[in-house]
Amino acid sequence: GAGVSQSPRYKVAKRGQDVALRCDPISGHVSLFWYQQALGQGPEFLTYFQNEAQLDKSGLPSDRFFAERPEGSVSTLKIQRTQQEDSAVYLCASSRREGTPEAFFGQGTRLTVV
Amino acid sequence: LAKTTQPISMDSYEGQEVNITCSHNNIATNDYITWYQQFPSQGPRFIIQGYKTKVTNEVASLFIPADRKSSTLSLPRVSLSDTAVYYCLVGDIGAAGNKLTFGGGTRVLVKP
Repeated sequence: GAGVSQSPRYKVAKRGQDVALRCDPISGHVSLFWYQQALGQGPEFLTYFQNEAQLDKSGLPSDRFFAERPEGSVSTLKIQRTQQEDSAVYLCASSRREGTPEAFFGQGTRLTVV
Repeated sequence: LAKTTQPISMDSYEGQEVNITCSHNNIATNDYITWYQQFPSQGPRFIIQGYKTKVTNEVASLFIPADRKSSTLSLPRVSLSDTAVYYCLVGDIGAAGNKLTFGGGTRVLVKP
């Protein structure tokens, strides 16, 4: 597939459980973004990577959220001790280079915390 | 970052032209205007981007007046499959990270 791939598509977690969400960006894309989208709202920025460097994590809502991209390709968003307010769709996007407006989004992972 | 304001929702009918206007009074000199489309259960998809005047591609047209304080996305002859949420974004294309900042978007419903 040529697009951004996210897994799992759906995740149900019990409150307090740790979860890991995976993003496979388009091959060769330098920039990678994570967004959180609550029901009925627009996506909200979480964090940004340029290759393996996490250059902006200003949108991460708490220290329970952690993202990594160790080899500059696949990225993982980890949420520790999940809370009900973490329930949302988590979107990953990649773009060819810095400064381009065209980001390619995956279908997202819908996280439900019960 | 320039704040954007756009209608919450719009209804239209198949075959009609849909125009969505976005206000961005505080747009900066380096800011570009970008529109994304999002279908249910999918991630947003880039539609069009412009700086001034008019830009057209195979999907839509983007009209930007001289003062750049607003922009209008025009979807010609919409079909049922154009039912989606449309987001207007304004930002500095050259900025590191080019963090796309989404607002609430405009829900467009195309009726038969």
